[in-house]
Amino acid sequence: DAGVIQSPRHEVTEMGQEVTLRCKPISGHNSLFWYRQTMMRGLELLIYFNNNVPIDDSGMPEDRFSAKMPNASFSTLKIQPSEPRDSAVYFCAISLSGTGELFFGEGSRLTVL
Amino acid sequence: AQSVAQPEDQVNVAEGNPLTVKCTYSVSGNPYLFWYVQYPNRGLQFLLKYITGDNLVKGSYGFEAEFNKSQTSFHLKKPSALVSDSALYFCAVRTGGGNKLTFGTGTQLKVEL
Repeated sequence: DAGVIQSPRHEVTEMGQEVTLRCKPISGHNSLFWYRQTMMRGLELLIYFNNNVPIDDSGMPEDRFSAKMPNASFSTLKIQPSEPRDSAVYFCAISLSGTGELFFGEGSRLTVL
Repeated sequence: AQSVAQPEDQVNVAEGNPLTVKCTYSVSGNPYLFWYVQYPNRGLQFLLKYITGDNLVKGSYGFEAEFNKSQTSFHLKKPSALVSDSALYFCAVRTGGGNKLTFGTGTQLKVEL
């Protein structure tokens, strides 16, 4: 899991605040993914990038969510304003090959009060 | 639409006994299928994948999975369970290009002494 570093690991914030989650992947990947995990909805793909370009953002729940990948070594997922229903664990994952094997970070646990 | 289903929320097995975690798939064309494991407060870890070839796929930690085209199944198996195998297991299918994966709802495996 050292291949994908996520920060913060835990974040507690109040409704209405802006939240930024960060992902630093190792080099050599071709795709980067943001997933959200909740008890109710399981694992949901929010967005993914190929070669730093957003390809599919159909899983982004609302305009309050945005993601960027300014370079191959860094990606952010921003929620503004945050709401209690955004409480979840957010995972960043990368693929290193063309056959679908993903490497996940440890996740960022977000709690919105 | 490409999807996988995990019919069991939880599987209980005694240590030393064989274990099976079930997964069925619905895809058009040839499926790319995966198993991942998640330990508490960790990211998902890749176990094994089926792309083509031998229907019995061997993976990490002694796990294997059998691809059955006629039954559209991809069950995860291990001949002798360990307490340390207790975790949440996800089946996944590649949907579309770019290594995008859709995950099942997960099966909690509990191995008891």
